[in-house]
Amino acid sequence: DTAVSQTPKYLVTQMGNDKSIKCEQNLGHDTMYWYKQDSKKFLKIMFSYNNKELIINETVPNRFSPKSPDKAHLNLHINSLELGDSAVYFCASSQDPWTSDRSYEQYFGPGTRLTVT
Amino acid sequence: GNSVTQMEGPVTLSEEAFLTINCTYTATGYPSLFWYVQYPGEGLQLLLKATKADDKGSNKGFEATYRKETTSFHLEKGSVQVSDSAVYFCALSALGFQKLVFGTGTRLLVSP
Repeated sequence: DTAVSQTPKYLVTQMGNDKSIKCEQNLGHDTMYWYKQDSKKFLKIMFSYNNKELIINETVPNRFSPKSPDKAHLNLHINSLELGDSAVYFCASSQDPWTSDRSYEQYFGPGTRLTVT
Repeated sequence: GNSVTQMEGPVTLSEEAFLTINCTYTATGYPSLFWYVQYPGEGLQLLLKATKADDKGSNKGFEATYRKETTSFHLEKGSVQVSDSAVYFCALSALGFQKLVFGTGTRLLVSP
């Protein structure tokens, strides 16, 4: 009964490859997010989707392409992987902040540790 | 823009010591404030939150009070345990923005 799940948990790949990370939430939330956590633990939002529509794209390179087939899923595809892409990627979800109260909470997945060699 | 500043870690304490982790913010309007905790090898969990000035969030013995006059949301616990060892993130969400803005995180190490 995991609320937000991600696969895979670990991903090791070589530079230049293309890879995907999947995220699913069973909380009935309308909004989903991708965050990147670097080696110094700094967390920064990458994308936000609301009802399958892209809302936030925080100057992420075009090599990163999120895809939301339905409200419960937000996948992250990365083309031409670079060494600097090595990080932990977290998926999260929340109620729609425009319709819920201001104190919306985001629920995070366990993270995917991506290592590019 | 919106930002969060946290004290740098690591914070090293003995069990049963008093904990304070400072957090200040800059935001337009009246943001909601959060503390998230990340245990080793895990994702982030919401620890507590406050949505308006003078609100106090509390959970598992941790407390933080939303101080608008000092733009602060310091995390406190009266007696830490070894199991509290983790990285603590202060964060805000500003009305109209669908994202959390995080501080840099503070690592807490509690020794027996």
